[in-house]
Amino acid sequence: QKEVEQNSGPLSVPEGAIASLNCTYSDRVSQSFFWYRQYSGKSPELIMSIYSNGDKEDGRFTAQLNKASQYVSLLIRDSQPSDSATYLCAVNTGNQFYFGTGTSLTVIP
Amino acid sequence: EPEVTQTPSHQVTQMGQEVILRCVPISNHLYFYWYRQILGQKVEFLVSFYNNEISEKSEIFDDQFSVERPDGSNFTLKIRSTKLEDSAMYFCASSSTNVANTQYFGPGTRLLVL
Repeated sequence: QKEVEQNSGPLSVPEGAIASLNCTYSDRVSQSFFWYRQYSGKSPELIMSIYSNGDKEDGRFTAQLNKASQYVSLLIRDSQPSDSATYLCAVNTGNQFYFGTGTSLTVIP
Repeated sequence: EPEVTQTPSHQVTQMGQEVILRCVPISNHLYFYWYRQILGQKVEFLVSFYNNEISEKSEIFDDQFSVERPDGSNFTLKIRSTKLEDSAMYFCASSSTNVANTQYFGPGTRLLVL
């Protein structure tokens, strides 16, 4: 069974700190990797996509992918209280998408 | 900014009844998806749809589920005979070019089966 694993948290960081979120996946042939943010009762909102090994930066967000280790991470720099949400890792394998259970992040003012 | 829309936002139904959840994907998108999220659990893939046919479905998507694009703009999910365990948030998503591309999610329909 294809799995996407995340620490459920909660993860708490002070405002201005770096938040680090991690995700591992089980299927080596997975092709595309995504980070979504989900506020309580709302739909997932795309933050980043990453397709090749290495780092990808977009503003305060950096996604890192290591296909050999089957590991993808998200760093949030200068964390803000508005970043408090659940962060979902999603993996595309074939024509299916698999989501992790999400990591709950709280940024403390 | 274009967005995916879904109706209704909330649906309450009796067990055994049929429900139809409606979605309007982003207009130039070609790939469409349904997901569900049971309260407190992860988002689960149900089905992907391209060129008027199902391209992939999960084991959750059994014979009680069906999808349709009846008129070129709407994309519907029908649950034929609802069960208590179908209570969940149902999300529609769409993407523009291929299945690995970015998916944009609608706001969801919260379904409650009594």
